[in-house]
Amino acid sequence: DAGITQSPRHKVTETGTPVTLRCHQTENHRYMYWYRQDPGHGLRLIHYSYGVKDTDKGEVSDGYSVSRSKTEDFLLTLESATSSQTSVYFCAIGYTDTQYFGPGTRLTVL
Amino acid sequence: GENVEQHPSTLSVQEGDSAVIKCTYSDSASNYFPWYKQELGKGPQLIIDIRSNVGEKKDQRIAVTLNKTAKHFSLHITETQPEDSAVYFCAATLAGGTSYGKLTFGQGTILTVHP
Repeated sequence: DAGITQSPRHKVTETGTPVTLRCHQTENHRYMYWYRQDPGHGLRLIHYSYGVKDTDKGEVSDGYSVSRSKTEDFLLTLESATSSQTSVYFCAIGYTDTQYFGPGTRLTVL
Repeated sequence: GENVEQHPSTLSVQEGDSAVIKCTYSDSASNYFPWYKQELGKGPQLIIDIRSNVGEKKDQRIAVTLNKTAKHFSLHITETQPEDSAVYFCAATLAGGTSYGKLTFGQGTILTVHP
């Protein structure tokens, strides 16, 4: 998985609780991305980062925030989890235009 | 923004047959088109990509074709094997500049290769 780890790999939480997912890379790539994958929708971009402290919104950013304080880590936070955020979350890293994906985090919000 | 449509949603073939998956995109400015293979429980893996200055690209049993005029691109897998069974995704983006490589994905195709 191209030097990308995601943690946790599985998480079950309750509605209204905060959740933080972590993406860690060892490739020193500038670009990092968070996607969610849902049946029938493919992968949809949540947020992305083009450098330390440089982030921007993607297609489905409502209810999510991100932070990148160092090159290797990109955090995705659900401030108050909802059932609609039950999904599989993938982190990707990019070098120019080519992206490589991590193993994913399966999140269930009850 | 970009919209990518992928067909078919499921594809079943016999081992040794060819498989073709097609995608159309809406933004004529898009110039980079990767294909990903996703096995159960794993993240998507890049298998081949094509840029808008090229009409076709091959890598062993896999090939991708691009028709910029019609705004569609296709994945061709020849001599399919059971290990080709997976979900395949196409994607499109405007590479370079301030697009930051943001990919728009198709909905995916579940390919099943029967021995």
